[in-house]
Amino acid sequence: EAGVAQSPRYKIIEKRQSVAFWCNPISGHATLYWYQQILGQGPKLLIQFQNNGVVDDSQLPKDRFSAERLKGVDSTLKIQPAKLEDSAVYLCASSLVGAGYEQYFGPGTRLTVT
Amino acid sequence: GEDVEQSLFLSVREGDSSVINCTYTDSSSTYLYWYKQEPGAGLQLLTYIFSNMDMKQDQRLTVLLNKKDKHLSLRIADTQTGDSAIYFCADSGGYNKLIFGAGTRLAVHP
Repeated sequence: EAGVAQSPRYKIIEKRQSVAFWCNPISGHATLYWYQQILGQGPKLLIQFQNNGVVDDSQLPKDRFSAERLKGVDSTLKIQPAKLEDSAVYLCASSLVGAGYEQYFGPGTRLTVT
Repeated sequence: GEDVEQSLFLSVREGDSSVINCTYTDSSSTYLYWYKQEPGAGLQLLTYIFSNMDMKQDQRLTVLLNKKDKHLSLRIADTQTGDSAIYFCADSGGYNKLIFGAGTRLAVHP
């Protein structure tokens, strides 16, 4: 079974530029998550989708971050404009629907904002 | 809000047992998890415990849950160099949302 795919793996941009990350979840997983992991910290949930609807985006900085999940499969996370403090690893995860189901994580995209 | 805390670093000798501790604040947690993260990789679920259990054993891993003190621990028996990684404790909030601690870096030396 293929795992969660993410691209790119690494990205370096200057502040005020825009960037987009892509995630392809495990086939059949209706729930998709985007986490931000700042160096030395645990992952923090940014947004959670169930199919193509948003379940939780309470910690998404909506003035600069946006995410979509068209057709309930792939998802993109965009930052526009980027700030220095956005430097982090962005992790995508997917799971079956319901409490307690394991979240499977992708390898992440490491973003450096200079 | 919900919070999960862990000690940041643990060093053990190869073959010894490792015990990683975690405290959480959300008394309504249904599941509590332990994840492992190796350098440059995503997170891998190691084990989890349902909130009505006190202990769960899975091969070399033993999870202990003290609900009264909101304390969770992970014991790794016969620790090997391949166990060197960062270990995250996570608490489940609503809609299967995970609240992670900052992670404990485990270093295993000969």
